Amino acid sequence: GPKVLQIPSHQIIDMGQMVTLNCDPVSNHLYFYWYKQILGQQMEFLVNFYNGKVMEKSKLFKDQFSVERPDGSYFTLKIQPTALEDSAVYFCASSLTVSNERLFFGHGTKLSVL
Amino acid sequence: AQSVTQPDARVTVSEGASLQLRCKYSYSGTPYLFWYVQYPRQGLQLLLKYYSGDPVVQGVNGFEAEFIKSNSSFHLRKASVHWSDSAVYFCAVRSSNTNKVVFGTGTRLQVLP
Repeated sequence: GPKVLQIPSHQIIDMGQMVTLNCDPVSNHLYFYWYKQILGQQMEFLVNFYNGKVMEKSKLFKDQFSVERPDGSYFTLKIQPTALEDSAVYFCASSLTVSNERLFFGHGTKLSVL
Repeated sequence: AQSVTQPDARVTVSEGASLQLRCKYSYSGTPYLFWYVQYPRQGLQLLLKYYSGDPVVQGVNGFEAEFIKSNSSFHLRKASVHWSDSAVYFCAVRSSNTNKVVFGTGTRLQVLP
């Protein structure tokens, strides 16, 4: 079936550094999402993105966060600068439409901020 | 704003037993309801979804869920579980006028052989 790919699967960085998480969504999908999951906890909505713009974002989507999908390539989540509390697994998802479509999730990128 | 409550953090059942995982949602309008499953080190996978019509929806691997509007519930059921059903199950809701899907805290299911 359709797959969402996330690269890399694990990233380790020092606090204060910049990190970019990459997501290759399903090829014909138009809506993109990032979710954050701290180990053993709830999947928390961060942001959704359509037509080059952020549509909705949560309180977790701090000023240090940004998303983009330049020229239909990877859908990226950038954190600059990182903080210790950013350590989590970040899941990318995509959907074809917004109405009643399921989300297709990647396997997640585990971010460890030291 | 919509929200989801999964009151049971962990459920343990024996293989072959029946299963019910509870989910209650809060939303004033017409919700779109989902159950996703997460296996270790993987992303979420859709089990089933409800938008309208028959309140009992069938999903993959013998799972089903029933939308009870009067109770604001969308419990997941399976008649006979298998050890491979061990995973974390998330209930989710999306309102009809937003693109944001909100997940519950998840229920970790352990099926004993």
